[in-house]
Amino acid sequence: GNSVTQMEGPVTLSEEAFLTINCTYTATGYPSLFWYVQYPGEGLQLLLKATKADDKGSNKGFEATYRKETTSFHLEKGSVQVSDSAVYFCARDGRGGGSNYKLTFGKGTLLTVNP
Amino acid sequence: DGGITQSPKYLFRKEGQNVTLSCEQNLNHDAMYWYRQDPGQGLRLIYYSQIVNDFQKGDIAEGYSVSREKKESFPLTVTSAQKNPTAFYLCASTQPGGQNYGYTFGSGTRLTVV
Repeated sequence: GNSVTQMEGPVTLSEEAFLTINCTYTATGYPSLFWYVQYPGEGLQLLLKATKADDKGSNKGFEATYRKETTSFHLEKGSVQVSDSAVYFCARDGRGGGSNYKLTFGKGTLLTVNP
Repeated sequence: DGGITQSPKYLFRKEGQNVTLSCEQNLNHDAMYWYRQDPGQGLRLIYYSQIVNDFQKGDIAEGYSVSREKKESFPLTVTSAQKNPTAFYLCASTQPGGQNYGYTFGSGTRLTVV
């Protein structure tokens, strides 16, 4: 079945450091790929998405590029802030791999940014 | 503003009780989903519905039930058969193939067995 693997945390950085959170997905079908962010006690918010190969999603200084050749969708930010501290989830939908638009999530990566 | 409303935010259940979690959306989305979140396990799909009066089991449906009588509502019942119901429950919706395709999540319900 479909699966998503993302780097395990926790990740602790100093403010203004460079962030990378790795994410790979199973290659079945032609999925859309997503990054979601979750702040403590809240639901998930869509951070960015990409719907086809070579697309780059971006939002609030975060970026991720849909790499079909490496089945990856790594999240990056050039300079993190304390307010970026949260849990980040990578996800794919099921298109082309069965299950239509169901989302499959990675296990999440906790990011803590210190002043 | 359009969105998803989950209620209650906190819910306490006694052993042997059934409880129902509410999920309402005013986004006019056809598809709705219930996920369960446990620490270190990410999100796991319980049930989903792609159209009114139809729903399918997800990966961990045992001990749960749902209904989809109206487009905007997708309540989840946690039955006494669910052995370990303490978790954070998230409802989501999307419009498959829509121009701004993406999932919208509610703010969640935290269920605790007492």
